Amino acid sequence: DAMVIQNPRYQVTQFGKPVTLSCSQTLNHNVMYWYQQKSSQAPKLLFHYYDKDFNNEADTPDNFQSRRPNTSFCFLDIRSPGLGDAAMYLCATSHGQGSSTEAFFGQGTRLTVV
Amino acid sequence: AQSVTQLGSHVSVSEGALVLLRCNYSSSVPPYLFWYVQYPNQGLQLLLKYTTGATLVKGINGFEAEFKKSETSFHLTKPSAHMSDAAEYFCAVTLRGGSQGNLIFGKGTKLSVKP
Repeated sequence: DAMVIQNPRYQVTQFGKPVTLSCSQTLNHNVMYWYQQKSSQAPKLLFHYYDKDFNNEADTPDNFQSRRPNTSFCFLDIRSPGLGDAAMYLCATSHGQGSSTEAFFGQGTRLTVV
Repeated sequence: AQSVTQLGSHVSVSEGALVLLRCNYSSSVPPYLFWYVQYPNQGLQLLLKYTTGATLVKGINGFEAEFKKSETSFHLTKPSAHMSDAAEYFCAVTLRGGSQGNLIFGKGTKLSVKP
């Protein structure tokens, strides 16, 4: 009965080789978020979608892109991964955009760059 | 700008002892407050949240937290630690009245429970 599903759980990619991480949800939530969590650090919001509207955080590098083809799926594309992009990537969803709404997180994808 | 400070990156307690994880926030307007738990190589799970109403909030797994506006604090407690409580705990805020559920996290506190 997983509600926010991230695939794969572990991803190894080569330096500079484009990589895509995927997230799907069964909650029918209209907001989907991508967070980056580096080792021993707090999660940091990269961007989010409210329905089809894309909202990028000001300090998110251009190397990171996202796509949301429908309500259920959201993708994180890293165009040219560097060693510094190795991290856990967390997808989350919420119902509505109100700031009191709870965010539901997936189990994350741990990205290794070699 | 809002910020969250968690005092103590590592806390160690004995099984059965009181758990106290500290969180202070900085915000011009009292924010919404959350505690999340993260087990190794897992996502985040909501323990509890404060939005309005009673300032003592009860969450899952026997945890509770109290919002103290005068102290700008939202400390997490549990009367008796269990081995299964060993995890990392994140305090987070969102800005009240904001247009998005943008969570701002503290740096986390890793809780160890000794037998």
